[in-house]
Amino acid sequence: GAGVSQSPRYKVAKRGQDVALRCDPISGHVSLFWYQQALGQGPEFLTYFQNEAQLDKSGLPSDRFFAERPEGSVSTLKIQRTQQEDSAVYLCASSLGDRDNSPLHFGNGTRLTVT
Amino acid sequence: DQQVKQNSPSLSVQEGRISILNCDYTNSMFDYFLWYKKYPAEGPTFLISISSIKDKNEDGRFTVFLNKSAKHLSLHIVPSQPGDSAVYFCAARPVGADGLTFGKGTHLIIQP
Repeated sequence: GAGVSQSPRYKVAKRGQDVALRCDPISGHVSLFWYQQALGQGPEFLTYFQNEAQLDKSGLPSDRFFAERPEGSVSTLKIQRTQQEDSAVYLCASSLGDRDNSPLHFGNGTRLTVT
Repeated sequence: DQQVKQNSPSLSVQEGRISILNCDYTNSMFDYFLWYKKYPAEGPTFLISISSIKDKNEDGRFTVFLNKSAKHLSLHIVPSQPGDSAVYFCAARPVGADGLTFGKGTHLIIQP
Protein backbone atom coordinates (compact mmCIF):
# COMPACT_ATOMS: atom_id res chain seq x y z
CA GLY A 1 0.00 0.00 0.00
CA ALA A 2 0.96 3.66 -0.21
CA GLY A 3 3.44 4.92 2.34
CA VAL A 4 4.04 8.40 3.67
CA SER A 5 4.53 10.80 0.79
CA GLN A 6 6.44 14.09 1.05
CA SER A 7 6.81 16.87 -1.48
CA PRO A 8 8.87 18.41 -2.83
CA ARG A 9 11.80 15.99 -2.56
CA TYR A 10 14.25 18.85 -2.90
CA LYS A 11 13.84 22.55 -2.26
CA VAL A 12 16.37 25.31 -2.72
CA ALA A 13 15.47 28.63 -1.15
CA LYS A 14 17.28 31.91 -0.93
CA ARG A 15 17.82 33.22 2.57
CA GLY A 16 14.77 35.14 3.69
CA GLN A 17 12.28 33.24 1.52
CA ASP A 18 9.32 31.36 2.94
CA VAL A 19 8.92 27.64 2.18
CA ALA A 20 6.10 25.12 2.60
CA LEU A 21 6.72 21.40 2.87
CA ARG A 22 3.89 18.92 2.40
CA CYS A 23 3.26 15.54 4.00
CA ASP A 24 0.62 12.98 3.02
CA PRO A 25 0.48 10.38 5.81
CA ILE A 26 -0.73 6.83 5.47
CA SER A 27 -4.52 6.87 5.25
CA GLY A 28 -6.17 6.36 8.62
CA HIS A 29 -3.09 7.14 10.67
CA VAL A 30 -4.00 9.22 13.69
CA SER A 31 -0.57 10.44 14.66
CA LEU A 32 1.71 12.62 12.53
CA PHE A 33 5.20 13.82 13.38
CA TRP A 34 7.72 16.18 11.82
CA TYR A 35 11.45 15.70 12.35
CA GLN A 36 14.49 17.66 11.20
CA GLN A 37 17.68 15.81 10.26
CA ALA A 38 20.87 17.82 9.82
CA LEU A 39 23.82 16.35 7.98
CA GLY A 40 25.53 13.63 10.00
CA GLN A 41 22.93 13.74 12.78
CA GLY A 42 19.93 11.69 13.75
CA PRO A 43 16.41 13.03 13.23
CA GLU A 44 15.28 15.59 15.81
CA PHE A 45 11.66 15.90 16.88
CA LEU A 46 9.86 19.07 15.83
CA THR A 47 6.13 18.62 16.41
CA TYR A 48 3.31 16.11 16.86
CA PHE A 49 -0.33 16.02 15.71
CA GLN A 50 -3.12 13.78 16.91
CA ASN A 51 -5.62 14.06 14.05
CA GLU A 52 -5.95 17.84 13.52
CA ALA A 53 -4.78 18.83 16.99
CA GLN A 54 -1.18 19.92 17.42
CA LEU A 55 -0.46 18.45 20.84
CA ASP A 56 3.26 19.01 21.04
CA LYS A 57 5.35 21.67 19.34
CA SER A 58 8.18 21.69 21.82
CA GLY A 59 10.79 20.85 19.18
CA LEU A 60 10.12 23.74 16.81
CA PRO A 61 13.38 25.73 16.88
CA SER A 62 11.86 29.20 16.51
CA ASP A 63 8.64 31.05 15.81
CA ARG A 64 9.59 31.03 12.13
CA PHE A 65 8.48 27.39 12.06
CA PHE A 66 4.79 26.64 11.82
CA ALA A 67 2.95 23.37 11.16
CA GLU A 68 -0.68 22.59 10.52
CA ARG A 69 -2.92 19.60 9.80
CA PRO A 70 -6.32 21.24 9.38
CA GLU A 71 -8.38 18.19 8.37
CA GLY A 72 -6.44 15.57 10.24
CA SER A 73 -4.73 14.09 7.19
CA VAL A 74 -2.31 16.17 5.05
CA SER A 75 0.13 18.32 6.99
CA THR A 76 2.22 21.32 5.98
CA LEU A 77 5.39 22.54 7.66
CA LYS A 78 6.04 26.19 6.89
CA ILE A 79 9.31 27.97 7.51
CA GLN A 80 9.27 31.74 7.25
CA ARG A 81 12.30 33.91 6.45
CA THR A 82 14.54 30.89 5.95
CA GLN A 83 18.09 30.98 7.34
CA GLN A 84 21.12 28.92 6.36
CA GLU A 85 20.88 26.90 9.57
CA ASP A 86 17.47 25.68 8.41
CA SER A 87 19.20 23.57 5.73
CA ALA A 88 18.37 19.96 6.56
CA VAL A 89 16.20 17.03 5.57
CA TYR A 90 12.68 17.40 6.95
CA LEU A 91 11.06 14.05 7.66
CA CYS A 92 7.40 13.39 8.19
CA ALA A 93 6.20 10.23 9.94
CA SER A 94 2.80 8.81 10.77
CA SER A 95 1.56 6.04 13.01
CA LEU A 96 -1.75 4.26 13.37
CA GLY A 97 -2.22 4.73 17.07
CA ASP A 98 -2.59 7.63 19.40
CA ARG A 99 0.36 8.08 21.77
CA ASP A 100 0.95 4.36 21.85
CA ASN A 101 3.81 2.15 20.74
CA SER A 102 2.72 1.66 17.14
CA PRO A 103 5.81 2.15 14.97
CA LEU A 104 6.44 5.32 13.01
CA HIS A 105 6.37 5.12 9.22
CA PHE A 106 8.64 7.75 7.71
CA GLY A 107 8.46 9.44 4.35
CA ASN A 108 11.58 9.94 2.22
CA GLY A 109 11.92 13.51 3.39
CA THR A 110 12.33 16.94 1.81
CA ARG A 111 15.91 18.15 1.51
CA LEU A 112 15.91 21.91 2.06
CA THR A 113 18.96 23.91 1.06
CA VAL A 114 19.04 27.59 1.98
CA THR A 115 21.57 29.62 0.00
CA ASP B 1 23.80 17.04 25.32
CA GLN B 2 23.27 13.75 23.52
CA GLN B 3 20.78 11.65 25.47
CA VAL B 4 21.11 8.75 23.01
CA LYS B 5 24.64 7.93 21.97
CA GLN B 6 25.88 5.68 19.21
CA ASN B 7 29.62 5.86 19.63
CA SER B 8 30.58 3.92 16.52
CA PRO B 9 30.03 5.99 13.38
CA SER B 10 30.70 2.92 11.24
CA LEU B 11 31.06 -0.84 11.51
CA SER B 12 32.30 -3.34 8.94
CA VAL B 13 31.24 -7.00 9.19
CA GLN B 14 31.76 -9.96 6.93
CA GLU B 15 28.72 -11.48 5.27
CA GLY B 16 27.33 -14.37 7.29
CA ARG B 17 28.82 -13.18 10.59
CA ILE B 18 27.04 -11.43 13.46
CA SER B 19 26.66 -7.65 13.45
CA ILE B 20 26.39 -5.99 16.85
CA LEU B 21 25.34 -2.34 17.01
CA ASN B 22 25.50 -0.55 20.34
CA CYS B 23 23.63 2.34 21.87
CA ASP B 24 23.93 4.08 25.26
CA TYR B 25 21.46 6.45 26.84
CA THR B 26 21.50 8.84 29.75
CA ASN B 27 17.84 9.64 30.41
CA SER B 28 16.38 7.24 32.97
CA MET B 29 12.87 8.33 31.91
CA PHE B 30 13.18 6.49 28.61
CA ASP B 31 10.75 3.56 28.63
CA TYR B 32 10.59 2.48 25.00
CA PHE B 33 13.46 1.86 22.61
CA LEU B 34 13.56 1.30 18.86
CA TRP B 35 15.98 0.60 16.05
CA TYR B 36 15.53 2.11 12.59
CA LYS B 37 17.39 1.33 9.39
CA LYS B 38 18.02 3.94 6.74
CA TYR B 39 19.14 3.65 3.13
CA PRO B 40 20.49 6.73 1.29
CA ALA B 41 17.79 9.14 0.09
CA GLU B 42 15.08 7.23 1.93
CA GLY B 43 13.36 7.74 5.24
CA PRO B 44 14.16 5.54 8.26
CA THR B 45 12.39 2.17 8.35
CA PHE B 46 11.28 0.61 11.62
CA LEU B 47 13.18 -2.59 12.49
CA ILE B 48 12.48 -3.69 16.03
CA SER B 49 11.53 -2.25 19.40
CA ILE B 50 11.67 -3.13 23.08
CA SER B 51 9.81 -1.91 26.12
CA SER B 52 11.71 -1.15 29.32
CA ILE B 53 9.92 -4.01 31.09
CA LYS B 54 11.73 -6.52 28.88
CA ASP B 55 15.41 -7.28 28.37
CA LYS B 56 15.23 -9.03 25.01
CA ASN B 57 13.08 -8.99 21.90
CA GLU B 58 13.65 -11.12 18.84
CA ASP B 59 12.31 -10.90 15.29
CA GLY B 60 13.86 -13.22 12.74
CA ARG B 61 17.52 -12.31 12.25
CA PHE B 62 17.20 -9.26 14.52
CA THR B 63 17.46 -9.29 18.32
CA VAL B 64 17.50 -6.28 20.59
CA PHE B 65 18.92 -6.51 24.11
CA LEU B 66 18.27 -3.96 26.83
CA ASN B 67 20.43 -3.58 29.95
CA LYS B 68 18.65 -0.98 32.07
CA SER B 69 21.22 -0.88 34.85
CA ALA B 70 23.93 -0.03 32.33
CA LYS B 71 21.58 2.15 30.23
CA HIS B 72 22.70 0.23 27.20
CA LEU B 73 21.00 -1.50 24.33
CA SER B 74 22.30 -3.44 21.40
CA LEU B 75 21.02 -4.78 18.11
CA HIS B 76 22.26 -8.15 16.91
CA ILE B 77 21.87 -9.18 13.29
CA VAL B 78 22.69 -12.78 12.48
CA PRO B 79 23.58 -13.85 9.90
CA SER B 80 24.49 -10.53 8.29
CA GLN B 81 23.49 -10.11 4.66
CA PRO B 82 24.59 -7.60 1.98
CA GLY B 83 21.16 -5.92 2.10
CA ASP B 84 21.79 -5.08 5.74
CA SER B 85 24.31 -2.42 4.69
CA ALA B 86 22.67 0.82 5.84
CA VAL B 87 22.72 3.41 8.60
CA TYR B 88 21.13 2.17 11.83
CA PHE B 89 19.57 4.60 14.28
CA CYS B 90 18.84 3.86 17.90
CA ALA B 91 15.87 5.82 19.26
CA ALA B 92 14.16 6.17 22.62
CA ARG B 93 11.03 7.77 24.04
CA PRO B 94 10.60 9.13 27.57
CA VAL B 95 7.50 8.31 29.59
CA GLY B 96 4.66 10.61 28.58
CA ALA B 97 6.50 12.17 25.65
CA ASP B 98 5.45 12.16 22.03
CA GLY B 99 8.68 12.49 20.10
CA LEU B 100 11.54 10.03 19.80
CA THR B 101 15.13 10.96 20.63
CA PHE B 102 17.52 9.54 18.06
CA GLY B 103 21.22 8.75 18.14
CA LYS B 104 23.52 9.91 15.35
CA GLY B 105 23.50 6.54 13.66
CA THR B 106 26.00 3.79 12.83
CA HIS B 107 26.84 3.01 9.23
CA LEU B 108 26.93 -0.79 8.89
CA ILE B 109 28.88 -2.17 5.95
CA ILE B 110 28.54 -5.86 5.14
CA GLN B 111 31.60 -7.12 3.29
CA PRO B 112 31.12 -10.00 0.79
